[in-house]
Amino acid sequence: EIVMTQSPATLSVSPGERATLSCRASQSVSSNLAWYQQKPGQAPRLLIYGASTRATVIPARFSGSGSGTEFTLTISSLQSEDFAVYYCQQYNNWPLTFGGGTKVEIK
Amino acid sequence: EVQLLESGGGLVQPGGSLRLSCAASGFTLSSYGMRWVRQAPGKGLEWVSDISASGRTTHYGDSVKGRFTISRDNSKNILYLQMNGLRAEDTAVYYCARRGEGNLLHFEYWGQGTLVTVSS
Repeated sequence: EIVMTQSPATLSVSPGERATLSCRASQSVSSNLAWYQQKPGQAPRLLIYGASTRATVIPARFSGSGSGTEFTLTISSLQSEDFAVYYCQQYNNWPLTFGGGTKVEIK
Repeated sequence: EVQLLESGGGLVQPGGSLRLSCAASGFTLSSYGMRWVRQAPGKGLEWVSDISASGRTTHYGDSVKGRFTISRDNSKNILYLQMNGLRAEDTAVYYCARRGEGNLLHFEYWGQGTLVTVSS
């Protein structure tokens, strides 16, 4: 099983600032990596797939990068609606696995 | 508009069974693989099971293998999860989700979830 490790667990950021979230895979997943956003009481929402392709209607302030074992989600200028938990997920191998999440909170 | 609507959750005793359903609309169900994901209270996401578009190929997470069965009825646009031998650790919100375009294995669309509570 590929273990996905996200860091930090919590990120405190002021509105308008840049946020950088990391995700590491225990073995290479090529570019088969997705990012999701989840707000309290809501289902997760797809942000990024293929490590760097934004999903439909996702704002350009969200960007993904990386390949192999190291990945980054960057939110260029945090808006109030971006404070949430973010998960990475690999789909290179079965079983599909998620990282433990990074909570982005208001500083 | 793609919509996924789960139902069938509730309170069940340990060792009991439950069948979840996910009604799909806004797309042709028979063209996409589908899956179930769960989230225990206050915890992260755990993939549970996946089924190919035709239903011929299924995959399960180790924690549910042998107890849960995923299936689909493409004629009714419904995805199912039959859960047997339920344990307290199966308590979670269960989401159905659709694979990505081109049947990529990310989770492109999600339902709102249905809560399963296993307790005596």
